[in-house]
Amino acid sequence: EDQVTQSPEALRLQEGESSSLNCSYTVSGLRGLFWYRQDPGKGPEFLFTLYSAGEEKEKERLKATLTKKESFLHITAPKPEDSATYLCAVQAKGYQKVTFGIGTKLQVIP
Amino acid sequence: GAVVSQHPSRVICKSGTSVKIECRSLDFQATTMFWYRQFPKKSLMLMATSNEGSKATYEQGVEKDKFLINHASLTLSTLTVTSAHPEDSSFYICSAAGEGTTLNEQFFGPGTRLTVL
Repeated sequence: EDQVTQSPEALRLQEGESSSLNCSYTVSGLRGLFWYRQDPGKGPEFLFTLYSAGEEKEKERLKATLTKKESFLHITAPKPEDSATYLCAVQAKGYQKVTFGIGTKLQVIP
Repeated sequence: GAVVSQHPSRVICKSGTSVKIECRSLDFQATTMFWYRQFPKKSLMLMATSNEGSKATYEQGVEKDKFLINHASLTLSTLTVTSAHPEDSSFYICSAAGEGTTLNEQFFGPGTRLTVL
């Protein structure tokens, strides 16, 4: 069974204080690993898809990286508007189903 | 691009009534739609996967007679919660994947907050 574990569960940063969120996964043949951002009371917003170990993707202050066992979402010089819950999910080859982690709730304080 | 809408955003109903939630892909054809349920401090729980024109595939433990899913067109899927009870109160979110997107990327709707009194 596919599993996704995200850490930490919650993270509080000062504005400008860079950090990383972790997503550890087990899957029987990775098709894709996804990062989403979710604001309270809203649906997840797509950020990145990573397909193979060594791949990196960037968007504004966010950078996602992937190894064979985990993915990191690095946030550089965060701003208060980056406060949200960040979800990681994996999809196995040959399957449509995506398995989500619980997420990391990020709070950026001015 | 890849915008998904959901309606209604909030619904309050009495126990025993049925509620229908609509999910639409606005700028692409969704060959596959997914329905999730989200509990506080829990991960998104997949309820069912529906491919256009086919019967939905339900996850283990999800009652298909209680949660009726229809995916009659490439832009619309509906979830009907039949004979709703307070324990069905939750945040329901749909997502869609298909032509015009990278096929295995899902784009989510804004969610529907269901409260059953």
